[in-house]
Amino acid sequence: EPEVTQTPSHQVTQMGQEVILRCVPISNHLYFYWYRQILGQKVEFLVSFYNNEISEKSEIFDDQFSVERPDGSNFTLKIRSTKLEDSAMYFCASSDVAGGLGGGTQYFGPGTRLLVL
Amino acid sequence: GDSVTQMEGPVTLSEEAFLTINCTYTATGYPSLFWYVQYPGEGLQLLLKATKADDKGSNKGFEATYRKETTSFHLEKGSVQVSDSAVYFCALSDRKGAWGKLIFGQGTELSVKP
Repeated sequence: EPEVTQTPSHQVTQMGQEVILRCVPISNHLYFYWYRQILGQKVEFLVSFYNNEISEKSEIFDDQFSVERPDGSNFTLKIRSTKLEDSAMYFCASSDVAGGLGGGTQYFGPGTRLLVL
Repeated sequence: GDSVTQMEGPVTLSEEAFLTINCTYTATGYPSLFWYVQYPGEGLQLLLKATKADDKGSNKGFEATYRKETTSFHLEKGSVQVSDSAVYFCALSDRKGAWGKLIFGQGTELSVKP
């Protein structure tokens, strides 16, 4: 069964450093998403991406964050200068239909646990 | 804005007990509703979904009915197993835009004892 994969599974970085989180969505999917879950809190939407551009972003997704689809398979989240409060589990998701239009389903990767020291 | 509220956990049950996890939502439109499950050390897996009022989603013995009149989507299972121990997330899909971000509840941890 196709699945979303994410690398690395864990990343430890120093405050102020740049990190890139990588995701390989399901191959025929067209809509891509990043979410994060701070320990003990809700899963929060960060950004959605379609047709090589951001379609929606949350207040969390400020100028320190960027997303890119550098080739036909990868989808990346970059945090330019990490802060302590960026420590969280980051989930990538993909969908073949936009959620809300005919009930598209988002399939999630296993997550990258980011720890900022 | 749209939101999802779940019952507080953790919920501890004995094997074969009946499970209910309450979920209510607030939305201005007509969202799709989802239950996701997160097993220890794993990512979020879709458990079931419903896209319109009175739809019932079901999977692996779990079911939930989309109740527009009570804005609820409670998860039920008639007889839980130890392997059902996980965190369960209720979510809605925002239909305002075409891009359908998911809005999650806070998650309910379920522990099933033999």
